[in-house]
Amino acid sequence: QSVLTQPPSASGTPGQSVTISCSGSSSNIGRSYVYWYQQFPGTAPKLLIHRNNQRPSGVPDRFSGSKSGTSASLAISGLRSEDEADYYCQAWDDSLSASLFGGGTKVTVL
Amino acid sequence: QLQLQESGPGLVKPSETLSLTCTVPGDSVSMTNYCWGWIRQSPGTGLEWIGSIYYTGSTYFNPSLNSRITISIDTSKSQFSLKLSSVTAADTAVYYCARHLGAGFNQGFDYWGQGSLVTVSS
Repeated sequence: QSVLTQPPSASGTPGQSVTISCSGSSSNIGRSYVYWYQQFPGTAPKLLIHRNNQRPSGVPDRFSGSKSGTSASLAISGLRSEDEADYYCQAWDDSLSASLFGGGTKVTVL
Repeated sequence: QLQLQESGPGLVKPSETLSLTCTVPGDSVSMTNYCWGWIRQSPGTGLEWIGSIYYTGSTYFNPSLNSRITISIDTSKSQFSLKLSSVTAADTAVYYCARHLGAGFNQGFDYWGQGSLVTVSS
């Protein structure tokens, strides 16, 4: 069981918005930046959001990240079929001196 | 677009040592601006950070794997390597090498290799 907790699945219809949560604690999300990755089957993860809410060049602004206290969220607006993928959150844990990943959320576009 | 490339045996016997190398284009691995890491993903499951290294040789390891991990760096070859000892079937996974966003181990990963499937089986 991951220290960073994500819902296993989320879904929406094209055009809708989907929000994925990532719950942690004061030793990780509470004091560290949160990162989000998108992964398609058989491929390496791709950085989607860094430093809580920053998008790397080339990532559509339909993707946005936020953090409050010991939780973070990834929002996808204007859902598209190509957004169907697994999404992972990541944060450093000061107590463990370790980088942690959430268990992942599979987004399905209905 | 930085392209990292993992290489190593795809099959390792139980109790033996898994060895993988990540080759980084140019002399990027010796740059002071970045740390480099290993992450794995068991079949059908999520991502697990294994450990990371800075060009000076400074390392951080996942506490759950700490006693079995060795990560080293060879700046002359622009490579960094992973050794995981005493492997079991539970170590079967796709192993990724990746670059941290900066010189801190606490940062995320912006560039990843394509991944190398390692199966532990006799």
